[in-house]
Amino acid sequence: EPEVTQTPSHQVTQMGQEVILRCVPISNHLYFYWYRQILGQKVEFLVSFYNNEISEKSEIFDDQFSVERPDGSNFTLKIRSTKLEDSAMYFCASKGSLLYNEQFFGPGTRLTVL
Amino acid sequence: AQTVTQSQPEMSVQEAETVTLSCTYDTSESDYYLFWYKQPPSRQMILVIRQEAYKQQNATENRFSVNFQKAAKSFSLKISDSQLGDAAMYFCAYRSASNTGNQFYFGTGTSLTVIP
Repeated sequence: EPEVTQTPSHQVTQMGQEVILRCVPISNHLYFYWYRQILGQKVEFLVSFYNNEISEKSEIFDDQFSVERPDGSNFTLKIRSTKLEDSAMYFCASKGSLLYNEQFFGPGTRLTVL
Repeated sequence: AQTVTQSQPEMSVQEAETVTLSCTYDTSESDYYLFWYKQPPSRQMILVIRQEAYKQQNATENRFSVNFQKAAKSFSLKISDSQLGDAAMYFCAYRSASNTGNQFYFGTGTSLTVIP
């Protein structure tokens, strides 16, 4: 069964460094998402992406964040200058069509900012 | 903005027994979708069950069923004949039917322990 995959599973970085979190959505899916979950808190929406552009973003998704689909298979989340409060689990999700309800989630990347 | 509340951070159930996980939400919309996702330890979230708000009939998926009370904005998950493999974090989620971005709003999750 097709799955969303994410790499790395755990990323440790120093404050102020740039990180890129990678996701490979399910191959025929068209809608892509990033969510994050700070430890002990709820899963929060960051951004949705369709047709090579951002379709919606939350207040969390400020200028330090960017997303890209560089090669038609990967979907990346970049954090330009990480802060301590960026430490969280980051989930990627994808969906096949606008009307299809279910989003398929990846296993997450745990980002630790020191 | 929509909010989803799961008031039970942890629940436990004896194997083969029934457990109900609660979820409430707040919205001004009339058309939306509700979901329960399961996240086993170190695994990705997988869909357990979904409910369309326009449907009065409660969704059922094998041992999993929901009690959807639209007026009360309540969406609880019942797990019957609990199995060890049901142990996981369970997230309730809301999605607007009119939101073109289709973002999900999640609750904080309920950690379910199944006692052999």
